[in-house]
Amino acid sequence: SQQGEEDPQALSIQEGENATMNCSYKTSINNLQWYRQNSGRGLVHLILIRSNEREKHSGRLRVTLDTSKKSSSLLITASRAADTASYFCATVDNYGQNFVFGPGTRLSVLP
Amino acid sequence: GAGVSQSPRYKVTKRGQDVTLRCDPISSHATLYWYQQALGQGPEFLTYFNYEAQPDKSGLPSDRFSAERPEGSISTLTIQRTEQRDSAMYRCASSLLSVGGTGELFFGEGSRLTVL
Repeated sequence: SQQGEEDPQALSIQEGENATMNCSYKTSINNLQWYRQNSGRGLVHLILIRSNEREKHSGRLRVTLDTSKKSSSLLITASRAADTASYFCATVDNYGQNFVFGPGTRLSVLP
Repeated sequence: GAGVSQSPRYKVTKRGQDVTLRCDPISSHATLYWYQQALGQGPEFLTYFNYEAQPDKSGLPSDRFSAERPEGSISTLTIQRTEQRDSAMYRCASSLLSVGGTGELFFGEGSRLTVL
């Protein structure tokens, strides 16, 4: 069963706008990771945030984590058409071995 | 190898046949995962290995599904007596066995199984 739940399920924006996706989960975690999947290809790791971190940046990506609310958000700034993909959050348990993915957010960036 | 390699990329089989899918992980990676992904959904955990040990196979849907990694490297996922509901993308991922649990997953391109 999937622990993470992303919302929205689908998001459509114009190039240059910011995109925000949210992820909620149920149990305690070691870390939370975000992955991108282009049109049926393999998932690619984007960014990891540990349970004792609140915010992390990587290029145009910003991730926040609120362990009290068991939620995370992924912000993509200044979006590009190439950002069109599905984005998944994955929670990692305290043993660091069990990766559980959410159903994903499908992002469309229109040129 | 340089990346995670899965074969075959596509498999079409008739209901009732057995199929075996193969995963060749990144050579330095101790941990290997199998996921099942339906169209438009996130990957669903099936099982994982640390080297040749299989600590968790709770995600395997039925006893028709089994996985092996006998030498701690290449792994196979076998589905016996396939059913139409087994049609899906099967994804393999590998990871370094990291202290502190902060490894990331490296995914293969997947094996798309269609059961007629």
